[in-house]
Amino acid sequence: AQTVTQSQPEMSVQEAETVTLSCTYDTSENNYYLFWYKQPPSRQMILVIRQEAYKQQNATENRFSVNFQKAAKSFSLKISDSQLGDTAMYFCALGEHSGAGSYQLTFGKGTKLSVIP
Amino acid sequence: GAVVSQHPSWVICKSGTSVKIECRSLDFQATTMFWYRQFPKQSLMLMATSNEGSKATYEQGVEKDKFLINHASLTLSTLTVTSAHPEDSSFYICSALFVSGRSTDTQYFGPGTRLTVL
Repeated sequence: AQTVTQSQPEMSVQEAETVTLSCTYDTSENNYYLFWYKQPPSRQMILVIRQEAYKQQNATENRFSVNFQKAAKSFSLKISDSQLGDTAMYFCALGEHSGAGSYQLTFGKGTKLSVIP
Repeated sequence: GAVVSQHPSWVICKSGTSVKIECRSLDFQATTMFWYRQFPKQSLMLMATSNEGSKATYEQGVEKDKFLINHASLTLSTLTVTSAHPEDSSFYICSALFVSGRSTDTQYFGPGTRLTVL
């Protein structure tokens, strides 16, 4: 069965510093997707970054980048120049195909990130 | 782009009544939508996959007769919690699958609906 593990329930970082959130997963598929979503206090789930498993190049989105290690089944998120608005719950998610061109997401338990001014 | 709305944002109802939650993709068509449930300080659990024009696919342990899902158009899916009880109180979140054609298809989420059953 697919699983997603986030081993850091809570983390904190000083404003303008860099922080890395870890995520490991398990899947028997060779083609899948990985995502990081953030959920601020408003509880709106917001896509941060995504990665296709077949791509070796790590995805980047402005201050957000990932370190995708397929063999190790690791997918960490690095946030550079942390901002107060980055304070949120961060969920790592694994997307596996479920037929008809769609896929299902399995979420980790989340990491609560606090950015300290 | 890729905006998903949910209505209502919160609802309080009496035990035994039914509640309908709407999920709309505002600027794209979604043949596939998903319904999740999130308990306080916990992760999202997939309840069911909603496919336009066909029956929803429910995850193991989710009661089909209690959580009725209808996906009647390419922009609207509804979740009806029938005969609600206090244990159904939760935060319900929908997502819609945006099919890019150029990059990864991505699920975009609605803002959620907080259901409280008295």
